[in-house]
Amino acid sequence: AQSVTQLGSHVSVSEGALVLLRCNYSSSVPPYLFWYVQYPNQGLQLLLKYTSAATLVKGINGFEAEFKKSETSFHLTKPSAHMSDAAEYFCAVSDIQAGTALIFGKGTTLSVSS
Amino acid sequence: DADVTQTPRNRITKTGKRIMLECSQTKGHDRMYWYRQDPGLGLRLIYYSFDVKDINKGEISDGYSVSRQAQAKFSLSLESAIPNQTALYFCATSTGGYTGELFFGEGSRLTVL
Repeated sequence: AQSVTQLGSHVSVSEGALVLLRCNYSSSVPPYLFWYVQYPNQGLQLLLKYTSAATLVKGINGFEAEFKKSETSFHLTKPSAHMSDAAEYFCAVSDIQAGTALIFGKGTTLSVSS
Repeated sequence: DADVTQTPRNRITKTGKRIMLECSQTKGHDRMYWYRQDPGLGLRLIYYSFDVKDINKGEISDGYSVSRQAQAKFSLSLESAIPNQTALYFCATSTGGYTGELFFGEGSRLTVL
């Protein structure tokens, strides 16, 4: 069965600092991986997705993630944090047993201080 | 207007009451999902539907039921609400395929007293 583990439930950075949110996956088949963001009082929106094309995936708002099969990781990064990046971030993997549903990690809350 | 609309957005109810959360979409997608979000637990799948005649249980379906009234409508019911069903509920849609994106509504916050 597929699963994802997000390391760190809370991450705090200063404005302008590097953002690194960690996600490791477990899958018996080549995974399809996603990062979603949830701003306060809103639904989730897609940041980026890995679908076995390029291992470095660029998303919206300057975020990117690199698929590393040897490390079973799909970490999310942004070179320079902005106050507006403060939100909850979820890593997810396609659930082959449940059609095209996604299995989500527990989430990482990103705080950005000035 | 939002592509995926959930009603109500907020609801407070009492233990034992029947509650229905409704979801409608204008994206024309066949696949629809109900998730539950709890702090520190992420999102967990309750039910999913690939079309009007195809409904499937997810990870945490006990205590819930669903109805797919039309391609665009997918309702979640709690027949007898209990306090541990207090959560934020999300409806989502997708076009299908393992690489497909899920599109989420803004959520329905349910509190069961």
